[in-house]
Amino acid sequence: DGGITQSPKYLFRKEGQNVTLSCEQNLNHDAMYWYRQDPGQGLRLIYYSQIVNDFQKGDIAEGYSVSREKKESFPLTVTSAQKNPTAFYLCASRRSGQAGETQYFGPGTRLLVL
Amino acid sequence: RKEVEQDPGPFNVPEGATVAFNCTYSNSASQSFFWYRQDCRKEPKLLMSVYSSGNEDGRFTAQLNRASQYISLLIRDSKLSDSATYLCVVNGPNTGNQFYFGTGTSLTVIP
Repeated sequence: DGGITQSPKYLFRKEGQNVTLSCEQNLNHDAMYWYRQDPGQGLRLIYYSQIVNDFQKGDIAEGYSVSREKKESFPLTVTSAQKNPTAFYLCASRRSGQAGETQYFGPGTRLLVL
Repeated sequence: RKEVEQDPGPFNVPEGATVAFNCTYSNSASQSFFWYRQDCRKEPKLLMSVYSSGNEDGRFTAQLNRASQYISLLIRDSKLSDSATYLCVVNGPNTGNQFYFGTGTSLTVIP
């Protein structure tokens, strides 16, 4: 089956700890995105990548880091510098950057701070 | 000013009712428009793209008014299964790569 997978489904972080959220897609999509969703707010863009070995900051990149070493994979690290990391994290992919191309989402990871 | 604004609702309607959601966007150069549906604690899923001439998919009709910079979604003959949050999404004007999401409009269809 083609699709986007995210793991884990739930993740608990201790104070001062870095954690990494996995995102994998087998859709052969060029572009991948990370969003954060908080209650009562729209999705906010953290980072995005249009091609392998390239990525750009979104609106709320502080305290996060990413890598794009393979087309299929776009892991997100939530660092200890992110002071309010509790949220629902969504990864998305898109075939290309052409106007009209839609995004497809993975099932998300819920991050909770202990 | 937010890129995309939606009435958060909630909208509570009886089965069989017709309900309409509106959404406004701030950047007149925006290129592409979408409605996504998000069920509780799940990921958003594409409901339909919105085309300039308006488009329909079964009970769902989407319209775009570029002059007034708003997008609408009409749901006819509401079903219990339509209960969800509906997200208005606008694609950025320049690179075509950044999407802007509204906060979503909550719909509950009541038996």
